[in-house]
Amino acid sequence: TQLLEQSPQFLSIQEGENLTVYCNSSSVFSSLQWYRQEPGEGPVLLVTVVTGGEVKKLKRLTFQFGDARKDSSLHITAAQPGDTGLYLCAGEIPDSWGKLQFGAGTQVVVTP
Amino acid sequence: DAMVIQNPRYQVTQFGKPVTLSCSQTLNHNVMYWYQQKSSQAPKLLFHYYDKDFNNEADTPDNFQSRRPNTSFCFLDIRSPGLGDAAMYLCATSRESGGVQYFGPGTRLTVT
Repeated sequence: TQLLEQSPQFLSIQEGENLTVYCNSSSVFSSLQWYRQEPGEGPVLLVTVVTGGEVKKLKRLTFQFGDARKDSSLHITAAQPGDTGLYLCAGEIPDSWGKLQFGAGTQVVVTP
Repeated sequence: DAMVIQNPRYQVTQFGKPVTLSCSQTLNHNVMYWYQQKSSQAPKLLFHYYDKDFNNEADTPDNFQSRRPNTSFCFLDIRSPGLGDAAMYLCATSRESGGVQYFGPGTRLTVT
């Protein structure tokens, strides 16, 4: 089983602050996806990173895939209350049918 | 709008009483997935269908069954729910295996 560990488990910050969420594994993944899940809803895809070292930006969100494709980070600049949610990373297991291994998530709370 | 729909959003069942959760999609995707997500845990894949081909995860209990009568619909049957089966059940679809997964809003199952 290829495990993905997310840290921290919980993060509470004030509006306007920056935050970084980490997703780490000892295994290589073919690609890595980041989702945001709000209470009582399903996860919504934010981004997919495929190439080692790849950096993608989505407005105030910056996603990076590690050079070895074993880890990833999500950085949010000037967080807003609307960024509140559970952030999940999911790695595509190599040589599988495309199976995803999810991390347990990081709960982010941004207070006004 | 094309989407993944799950019904009901909240389901309460009694210990041992069979229950069926439903998922439908208007995306015309080939692959449909069922995940179980417990509080503060990663979504856990139960099984998936590629078209009519059923693929069960090795650690999915026999208590869980699934049916996909056509491309649009997929059902999760829990034959004899136990207290430990209380969770959020997420349905997802993707165009092809390994493709981006689109999640429904989930069904919150309570077992009394």
